[in-house]
Amino acid sequence: ETGVTQSPTHLIKTRGQQVTLRCSSQSGHNTVSWYQQALGQGPQFIFQYYREEENGRGNFPPRFSGLQFPNYSSELNVNALELDDSALYLCASSLGLREYYEQYFGPGTRLTVT
Amino acid sequence: DAKTTQPNSMESNEEEPVHLPCNHSTISGTDYIHWYRQLPSQGPEYVIHGLTSNVNNRMASLAIAEDRKSSTLILHRATLRDAAVYYCILLYSGGGADGLTFGKGTHLIIQP
Repeated sequence: ETGVTQSPTHLIKTRGQQVTLRCSSQSGHNTVSWYQQALGQGPQFIFQYYREEENGRGNFPPRFSGLQFPNYSSELNVNALELDDSALYLCASSLGLREYYEQYFGPGTRLTVT
Repeated sequence: DAKTTQPNSMESNEEEPVHLPCNHSTISGTDYIHWYRQLPSQGPEYVIHGLTSNVNNRMASLAIAEDRKSSTLILHRATLRDAAVYYCILLYSGGGADGLTFGKGTHLIIQP
């Protein structure tokens, strides 16, 4: 059973640029959630996708957008990058939306904005 | 969302039991209690969850107070690998669960 994978591992971008991060969910999982983790803080929920539809969203501006594909892999896109977007971006997959399903996290993508 | 309160840090010795407390006095009757941990330089890892009854799995035990206003994660025999930040999280069981709300968690230090 393959776990959650994310690419790339590290990324350096310039302020104002756009970035796309990718996530492959665990086999059999139809739900993907994205989180942003600043240094020294707990992860913050960005949004969640269930069967290719956005199911919920945290307190992030519209320049953070996402996509989920028919194979349930997912992308996180961030436009007009700001210095504060520098963080570890985590994705997590789960079997579904129920509150008793555990989320399986990937290792994250470290984004640095200069 | 109901909030949780955890100590900022705790220290324990290797091979001894560890009890990590979590207060959630505003919990509703339908909130699940989840615990995740994050080892250094890794993504969070699911540990255990419960609703009303105490729960055991291969990693840990979860003891839930009768009034559900607090819970305790129990690591029965800590190893150095258990050094991590532990997060206690409530998830509403109204259906269509949203993302996890992480607080600051408890930084667990294990002494050899």
